[in-house]
Amino acid sequence: RKEVEQDPGPFNVPEGATVAFNCTYSNSASQSFFWYRQDCRKEPKLLMSVYSSGNEDGRFTAQLNRASQYISLLIRDSKLSDSATYLCVVNGDDKAAGNKLTFGGGTRVLVKP
Amino acid sequence: ETGVTQSPTHLIKTRGQQVTLRCSSQSGHNTVSWYQQALGQGPQFIFQYYREEENGRGNFPPRFSGLQFPNYSSELNVNALELDDSALYLCASSLDGLGSFSPLHFGNGTRLTVT
Repeated sequence: RKEVEQDPGPFNVPEGATVAFNCTYSNSASQSFFWYRQDCRKEPKLLMSVYSSGNEDGRFTAQLNRASQYISLLIRDSKLSDSATYLCVVNGDDKAAGNKLTFGGGTRVLVKP
Repeated sequence: ETGVTQSPTHLIKTRGQQVTLRCSSQSGHNTVSWYQQALGQGPQFIFQYYREEENGRGNFPPRFSGLQFPNYSSELNVNALELDDSALYLCASSLDGLGSFSPLHFGNGTRLTVT
């Protein structure tokens, strides 16, 4: 099983609609969770951290479910500019790997007019 | 505030050659992590440097090596290049102590092509 798994998509989303997708992680001791956004041929950029109580940043809502070991990202009122690949990031608990943050393979979202 | 900068932006090398990639961390950040991202995949952790010491390594062979300098800038060296080394190499800096997990701030990356 991969450490961090994501549905690669693409999720084809009508402009203005809501889209949500999950990311599962294998290490039950993981403590830090992030969502990054990556545009084509660009570097990943931090979208938001994910807190235990869930958090919201404008149209974006992130949730953490420790019991089932997944995090989710919900995008409301999708804009064309939301088209990107969304990367789930989780810290490992492998002492040999230090402060390793592990990335999922990404979920591609395409918002269409 | 100066962000993370990487050089060069693009590089073409021949199989068997050696390459050095450079990264300047964001001001105030003491930790540098290197990732390899193949086309269509998520970034894969290569290694991390904290205060000039290697602080963890992913599943990469010894021909991938690195350095961190007193000003926290870093180099990634790859010897005996193979075709599969063709990828986007991403450097990320963060402000960390051992055991903390700050978000990573990435540079623009170096796109390496091995022919």
